[in-house]
Amino acid sequence: EDQVTQSPEALRLQEGESSSLNCSYTVSGLRGLFWYRQDPGKGPEFLFTLYSAGEEKEKERLKATLTKKESFLHITAPKPEDSATYLCAVLRKGSNYKLTFGKGTLLTVNP
Amino acid sequence: NAGVTQTPKFRVLKTGQSMTLLCAQDMNHEYMYWYRQDPGMGLRLIHYSVGEGTTAKGEVPDGYNVSRLKKQNFLLGLESAAPSQTSVYFCASTDSTREAYEQYFGPGTRLTVT
Repeated sequence: EDQVTQSPEALRLQEGESSSLNCSYTVSGLRGLFWYRQDPGKGPEFLFTLYSAGEEKEKERLKATLTKKESFLHITAPKPEDSATYLCAVLRKGSNYKLTFGKGTLLTVNP
Repeated sequence: NAGVTQTPKFRVLKTGQSMTLLCAQDMNHEYMYWYRQDPGMGLRLIHYSVGEGTTAKGEVPDGYNVSRLKKQNFLLGLESAAPSQTSVYFCASTDSTREAYEQYFGPGTRLTVT
């Protein structure tokens, strides 16, 4: 059974204070690992897909990395508008494109 | 290009009532999904469809039915609502014709069953 564990459950940062969110996964045959951002009362918004260990993707203040067991979402010099819940999901090969999601990390960035 | 839309946005039902949630996408995606999101549980797959006229069960299908009569629409039905079905429901779709795999989500339907 595919498993995705995100930590911490909640993270509070000061504006400009860089940090990382963790996503540990167990899947037999990884097709891809996905990061989403979810604002309160809205649907998840796609951020990145990582396909193989060693791959990195960047978007503004966010950088996602992938190893064979976990992924990190690094947030550099965050701003209050980066406050959201960040979701991680994995796709197993041959699973009809079904994603398995973690429970998310609630990030709050204080001004 | 509206992406994925969901109707209604909010609904309150009494136990035993029925309703249908509508999902529509204008991206010509083959694959569509229904999830529920509950506090502390994350997103859980209810049913999914790999094309027009097809449906399959996900992780938590009991108490729900689905239909995909048209490629752009995916309907989720509750025949006899229960308080345990109080949740936020999200629809998503994927373009299976290219090797990208990411799902695009709608804005959600917040359902309360009293």
